[in-house]
Amino acid sequence: GAGVSQSPSNKVTEKGKDVELRCDPISGHTALYWYRQSLGQGLEFLIYFQGNSAPDKSGLPSDRFSAERTGGSVSTLTIQRTQQEDSAVYLCASSSAYQPQHFGDGTRLSIL
Amino acid sequence: QKEVEQDPGPLSVPEGAIVSLNCTYSNSAFQYFMWYRQYSRKGPELLMYTYSSGNKEDGRFTAQVDKSSKYISLFIRDSQPSDSATYLCAMSQSSGDKLTFGTGTRLAVRP
Repeated sequence: GAGVSQSPSNKVTEKGKDVELRCDPISGHTALYWYRQSLGQGLEFLIYFQGNSAPDKSGLPSDRFSAERTGGSVSTLTIQRTQQEDSAVYLCASSSAYQPQHFGDGTRLSIL
Repeated sequence: QKEVEQDPGPLSVPEGAIVSLNCTYSNSAFQYFMWYRQYSRKGPELLMYTYSSGNKEDGRFTAQVDKSSKYISLFIRDSQPSDSATYLCAMSQSSGDKLTFGTGTRLAVRP
């Protein structure tokens, strides 16, 4: 497809487990962003990758959160030792140079 | 105080009405302004993208930016039931930079 693809669409896991969320950006887009959307906080920036530059990690809420982008394309957001407050929708967006961001449909994460 | 303030609604209007959605912000460094529409259990969909102050029109949608007042608006003309969604304003300091979002306004258009 032509849009941003995220998997899984839903993830339920137990507190303390690690989870990996995947984002496949629009082909050719050099920038990739992760956001989190929760009822109390709205949509919050987590991290973004721009080409070969060092990622901007300023939005990551704790050192349990990390992300990588391999080969300038697919990205994985990893949450270690999940907590109940990590329950949210995790959204990925991508953009080409000087263009607005386009979002995927997100991964709905529930921590039991 | 949040950097971007947006009335959460919900806002309910009859079909055909003109809808006005607004955001205010505190960071004068914001230069790029966006409106996204989000349907339930879907990702945000870009509606309008503007740079600096001024107006931009696209079909039934008009975006206005007033940087002197730190105020942005989205107008929807001839609203349709299919416009029922949450509308999010977003802004950034530079092109390609991370976005700062408002909390979103829920809109319901009654047939």
